[in-house]
Amino acid sequence: DADVTQTPRNRITKTGKRIMLECSQTKGHDRMYWYRQDPGLGLRLIYYSFDVKDINKGEISDGYSVSRQAQAKFSLSLESAIPNQTALYFCATSEPGTSGSNEQFFGPGTRLTVL
Amino acid sequence: GEDVEQSLFLSVREGDSSVINCTYTDSSSTYLYWYKQEPGAGLQLLTYIFSNMDMKQDQRLTVLLNKKDKHLSLRIADTQTGDSAIYFCAESIGPNKLIFGTGTLLAVQP
Repeated sequence: DADVTQTPRNRITKTGKRIMLECSQTKGHDRMYWYRQDPGLGLRLIYYSFDVKDINKGEISDGYSVSRQAQAKFSLSLESAIPNQTALYFCATSEPGTSGSNEQFFGPGTRLTVL
Repeated sequence: GEDVEQSLFLSVREGDSSVINCTYTDSSSTYLYWYKQEPGAGLQLLTYIFSNMDMKQDQRLTVLLNKKDKHLSLRIADTQTGDSAIYFCAESIGPNKLIFGTGTLLAVQP
């Protein structure tokens, strides 16, 4: 079974709709992240959370919100979707190594299209 | 600000070596990473190098780090069609987050 799962894998919605993307992990990691991927722009960080009580904005948080319901679950919401939020969204987890490495483990991605 | 740059596309023939290059701007990066993204999948860590190292070799992969020029490269020896993917370099900004490059699409011609 996959360690980091995302639902749905694909979603098409209309402008103005509220959308929630879910992420679950069985790795037991405290740190979770949401990224979006756009062609030619790589991955950009939307939000990250270091534990259940900790939520931090990334570089492109406007138009998004998150909820860390449990250590294993981190959801991303688009309160009112707009077409330029069409992208591939990735959830990731990490656990700091004793040497300080920040290796991240990624889910399979959610392809979101906003019409 | 933090910025990681890569060329967008590289095409090689099967059996040749591939070299994917990356430049970064934050000289305080402690770790630098190479991730691989296959079609329809998430990113998987290929290898990483600590900033006090110049080179790291892992089977067909060789990572070279030039801290003076802030240049990182990934060499894949004997490139196979299964190596076709997007490759991302990333730098670690403190313990908190990674900054990813734009990704290089590697196309391997049979």
